[in-house]
Amino acid sequence: GQQVMQIPQYQHVQEGEDFTTYCNSSTTLSNIQWYKQRPGGHPVFLIQLVKSGEVKKQKRLTFQFGEAKKNSSLHITATQTTDVGTYFCARLNYGGSQGNLIFGKGTKLSVKP
Amino acid sequence: DGGITQSPKYLFRKEGQNVTLSCEQNLNHDAMYWYRQDPGQGLRLIYYSQIVNDFQKGDIAEGYSVSREKKESFPLTVTSAQKNPTAFYLCASTRGGTGGRQPQHFGDGTRLSIL
Repeated sequence: GQQVMQIPQYQHVQEGEDFTTYCNSSTTLSNIQWYKQRPGGHPVFLIQLVKSGEVKKQKRLTFQFGEAKKNSSLHITATQTTDVGTYFCARLNYGGSQGNLIFGKGTKLSVKP
Repeated sequence: DGGITQSPKYLFRKEGQNVTLSCEQNLNHDAMYWYRQDPGQGLRLIYYSQIVNDFQKGDIAEGYSVSREKKESFPLTVTSAQKNPTAFYLCASTRGGTGGRQPQHFGDGTRLSIL
């Protein structure tokens, strides 16, 4: 189907360690979006990837789109306590008018100081 | 500042009651969305609207209703037919109608609980 699988569901790291979350699809993706939701907050858009093999960086965050456009990853270098939250990937819904996204279940990151 | 305003922040419902959650945006966005978030479930789409006076069902529309009479407003009614309404409800908007290719902007959400 059109679902996206995110792994791991939870990740606990020591501050300063790296963190990676993966988003996988059984079908080819036209694009992938990433969002961050802080505890008690709302999702905030981070980035969109559209090209095969694309790599984008935002300070300590590195986003990749697989060559086959079936998977994506978000890597955080040297985590900080401000990175705590749940990271969601989301794909375009091919059904209907393509007017909406399908979200993964997210990876919840906790960072121990 | 432009943004999305959801109200109330917390809402309590008695069994058998309908309740309406408000969502207003001043971003001049065309499309608006309602999501339900349960712990460990991610975001599930309830309804969305790409243009005024038109809306489509999402994956979990049963027990919910919406209207889109104005571009700025997209209220969600949780009816008594929704048997498990306790959840965090998020409203979002996108600039264009093809919301799957645009960044979604979210409101702060409404937490609905059953008394």
